[in-house]
Amino acid sequence: EVQLLESGGGLVQPGGSLRLSCATSGFTFSSYAMTWVRQAPGKGLEWVSGIWSNSGRTFYADSVTGRFTISRDNSKNTLYLQMNNLGAEDTALYFCAKVVLGIWYIDDWGQGTLVTVSS
Amino acid sequence: EIVLTQSPATLSLSPGERATLSCRASQSVSSQLAWYQQKPGQAPRLLIYDASNKATGIPARFSGSGSGTDFTLTISSLEAEDFAVYYCQQRSNWPLTFGQGTRVEI
Repeated sequence: EVQLLESGGGLVQPGGSLRLSCATSGFTFSSYAMTWVRQAPGKGLEWVSGIWSNSGRTFYADSVTGRFTISRDNSKNTLYLQMNNLGAEDTALYFCAKVVLGIWYIDDWGQGTLVTVSS
Repeated sequence: EIVLTQSPATLSLSPGERATLSCRASQSVSSQLAWYQQKPGQAPRLLIYDASNKATGIPARFSGSGSGTDFTLTISSLEAEDFAVYYCQQRSNWPLTFGQGTRVEI
């Protein structure tokens, strides 16, 4: 069974930083592209960032480019999202998600970690 | 960035009725579009990928159609567990984008 467990969320002041982690199990992590999707309270889904299986290429939404960095450690089966210069607009539930093999749809999701940016 | 516009925002129907949800892209995405279902307090679930292919375990009452810029998700006969929010997502161009969602309510 695929399991994705996010951690690292919390309350942070505007301009601050957080690093999210996603520990995975139940599949061959190194073979799959991974992605982060967020959902502001009461709002819709927003794709944030994605990374190919070998970390060769990364992709970002315009709203986070230059502030967020996605990475992965295939030896630890873990996905990361480094978030810098956070603003109120980044307040959301952040989902770690596994991409369908070879195509950028999402077939497995974590339960999310909540990031709140507030003074 | 490709903008996906879903309509209607809310669909009010009764169990047993047919639901028709629309997703329109600001430019062609070929057939590279998926549909997801999200229930309150849960992560989304993949229903349809590449416009018309059902994901594993998805009931036959769900179907997808369309190509280019206009797509449709059809639920042939609504069951109680189908009342939820539905999102479309394109993978044709970076960045990936989602539609704003359609709520199907009783």
